[in-house]
Amino acid sequence: DAKTTQPNSMESNEEEPVHLPCNHSTISGTDYIHWYRQLPSQGPEYVIHGLTSNVNNRMASLAIAEDRKSSTLILHRATLRDAAVYYCIPLAIFGTGTRLKVLA
Amino acid sequence: DVKVTQSSRYLVKRTGEKVFLECVQDMDHENMFWYRQDPGLGLRLIYFSYDVKMKEKGDIPEGYSVSREKKERFSLILESASTNQTSMYLCASSSPYRLADTDTQYFGPGTRLTVL
Repeated sequence: DAKTTQPNSMESNEEEPVHLPCNHSTISGTDYIHWYRQLPSQGPEYVIHGLTSNVNNRMASLAIAEDRKSSTLILHRATLRDAAVYYCIPLAIFGTGTRLKVLA
Repeated sequence: DVKVTQSSRYLVKRTGEKVFLECVQDMDHENMFWYRQDPGLGLRLIYFSYDVKMKEKGDIPEGYSVSREKKERFSLILESASTNQTSMYLCASSSPYRLADTDTQYFGPGTRLTVL
């Protein structure tokens, strides 16, 4: 089973970029890497996903290492509304995520 | 937009009661999931289903059962509720066949269950 490792918490200043790392060294070759975030009192919501190449959407960018053993979620300009728990998951295996605190 | 709905946002039950948590999705997704979320433990998978009448155990199935009689509906059943099942329960759905969002899970708002 794939297992992920993320820092428990991170802090960022508002309007600055944030790089959220994730290690998934046991991921299989065909598993997509999904990122979700969970705002307070809500269910998790999809942020971005990718397989091998880097991906961009309106919410974030995803940088995937060439060996696929790690990835980084990039929020280009953090806002207070980005304060949430961020989960990196292959398939349905959620860990405890990274709690992002954004400082005004 | 995908919509996943759960029957209740808050539920209070007594020890020993049988509890039904209902989840409905409107996107014709094949896969449906039940998780529980507890402080410091993240989301843990209880059961999932990849087709009608099919079910697979997740990481923590003990004390729970599920039912999927129709594609859009996935029910979680606590046969005899206990206080250690007090938790936030989250339902999700996904499809393995949609190219744009393969296996992306869409979550409901959650049901906060308290067992007294």
